[in-house]
Amino acid sequence: LAKTTQPISMDSYEGQEVNITCSHNNIATNDYITWYQQFPSQGPRFIIQGYKTKVTNEVASLFIPADRKSSTLSLPRVSLSDTAVYYCLVGVKSMDSNYQLIWGAGTKLIIKP
Amino acid sequence: DTAVSQTPKYLVTQMGNDKSIKCEQNLGHDTMYWYKQDSKKFLKIMFSYNNKELIINETVPNRFSPKSPDKAHLNLHINSLELGDSAVYFCASSQGSQARGNTIYFGEGSWLTVV
Repeated sequence: LAKTTQPISMDSYEGQEVNITCSHNNIATNDYITWYQQFPSQGPRFIIQGYKTKVTNEVASLFIPADRKSSTLSLPRVSLSDTAVYYCLVGVKSMDSNYQLIWGAGTKLIIKP
Repeated sequence: DTAVSQTPKYLVTQMGNDKSIKCEQNLGHDTMYWYKQDSKKFLKIMFSYNNKELIINETVPNRFSPKSPDKAHLNLHINSLELGDSAVYFCASSQGSQARGNTIYFGEGSWLTVV
């Protein structure tokens, strides 16, 4: 069964731009790519979603190449409060043609002062 | 004004006991879920209900039984608890299928420890 792949962890410093890439080779044609953020002792929270090219909101940007087999979450000018686990979420068509929502293993992002 | 609320937040219980976790959403969503997150932070869907109908039932032991009295509530009952059931259980909801790009709203989680 296809799955997503993300780096297990990343470190960065306050004020830097952070890019986290997710691979999703078997993404379904009509499915979106969504990123969630999870702080300790809390449930995941929606950050951004896109289908193709580039999407930007007040907290992040999402870059999706033409083949849609990967996506990159970009966090501009991170702060200590951006320390969290970031999950990449896509819908994947399984062998029996049913859709499954596959969560990546998550990337633990640590921001240092 | 919690959107998705689940109780209890913490639960410590002995092996063999039966326990329930309750969940309610006030977002007017038609779909609710139970997820399990293990110690390695992997999130796995357990069940999904749409308008009180079970639509996703992943491979979980039949000791786990979800119940949806109405579309705003989805409770999880666990029989004969085992050590391996220790995890964080998240309730969530969305309007429409999660696989179609609809945003999922999660509760704060219920930390279950089986001793």
